[in-house]
Order: sequence, then structure tokens, then C-alpha cells
Amino acid sequence: ETGVTQTPRHLVMGMTNKKSLKCEQHLGHNAMYWYKQSAKKPLELMFVYSLEERVENNSVPSRFSPECPNSSHLFLYLHTLQPEDSALYLCASSTSWGGRNEKLFFGSGTQLSVL
Amino acid sequence: KNQVEQSPQSLIILEGKNCTLQCNYTVSPFSNLRWYKQDTGRGPVSLTIMTFSENTKSNGRYTATLDADTKQSSLHITASQLSDSASYICVVRAYSSASKIIFGSGTRLSIRP
Repeated sequence: ETGVTQTPRHLVMGMTNKKSLKCEQHLGHNAMYWYKQSAKKPLELMFVYSLEERVENNSVPSRFSPECPNSSHLFLYLHTLQPEDSALYLCASSTSWGGRNEKLFFGSGTQLSVL
Repeated sequence: KNQVEQSPQSLIILEGKNCTLQCNYTVSPFSNLRWYKQDTGRGPVSLTIMTFSENTKSNGRYTATLDADTKQSSLHITASQLSDSASYICVVRAYSSASKIIFGSGTRLSIRP
């Protein structure tokens, strides 16, 4: 195990539903990330939190809303998603944000299907 | 534009055989390059990190090389095992005033018994 836990592992939702993804890290890291992984495409960075402050927001639609209540927990709130949002959503953490040799520790992801 | 290109997109080899995966990048200023292994249904896990001054680094049966002049890296897997079946992702970090990570699309490797 990497020390980063994501729930749920799988999620199916309709376009009008509201759901949330949860990520928890037990590594004492100060930075947490949300990535989107679509088939045969590179990982896309969505959000970065450093010491509970959002430091990056890469033009993500407002139907995705992140929250980082403390350095160990990260949430992604989903509402009125589109079928093209179906993907694997990965949470990651690192010791700090922006370091030269930082290693990302990933969770197992949430496989999201939007119907 | 910062880009990381990996080849082949997918590869099937027999158990026990060797293989080499390629990564070409156009990332500047270069800081380091990592290879990650992603098993099906799991998140990526770092295998090795290469910095500018390093040419070769091994991690068990995995050997990564880096040619910073030609901006190419390779990951060589020796005596493949069924558990090597996974996607291998090349990730390059750029570093100037801030750090930026660029991911490749990965190579899907399947090991057949």
C-alpha cells in the first residue's frame, strides 16, 4: 500500500446526481493532488493543495469542486457531470509542493462512470 | 511546448524475455525524469528517478537510462515476469521558478506465459 486511500473505488452516477470522492493520506505529507486519467491520455492535473491552501486550479469546470479540510484529507465534489467526465480519478500526495525531486504517492483511484 | 512521448503504445512479450520502453521529451528546463509502474486498477508507483547527471540507474530487473543531450530515456526490463504486466509511465519534471510535472501517455506492457 502507498499510504494514500481513496473511496469509493467505483462510482456510477447520473448527470443530475451529486456525489463526492474522498482521499486520505497517512504519510504526513503537506501537498495533495487530484488527477484525471482518461484512457490512452496522459494524467491531467486538476487541483493542488499545499498546507490546505489551493495552489493550482488547472481550468477545471466548476462542476468539480475540491475541498481540503486538513492536510490528511482531500475531497472532490461532483455535480451535473457529463459523460465525458467518465475516467479514473487519482489522488496523490507528496512531502511538499514544488520541490525539485518530489515523489508523488498515488491512491488506487476512483473509477467514475457518468451515465 | 513541454511534451513527453512514449513508445510503443502497447507491447506484448513472452515471460522470461527482455524488453525496452522508450521516452522522448521536450521539457525545459529539465529537472528530473521518473518512471512509474501502474498496475491495472491501481495508482502509479515510482520505480526510479533520473537527474541530469545520471546516465543509468537500476532497480532490480528494471534499468533506466537517460541521455540528457538527446532528451531520451529508456526503461529496460530483464527476464520479464507475469507481474510486470502493467502500464509504464514516463514523467518529466521541469523546474524554474516553479515545478511543473509532465506525464507521458504510458506504454501498456502485457507478459504472456
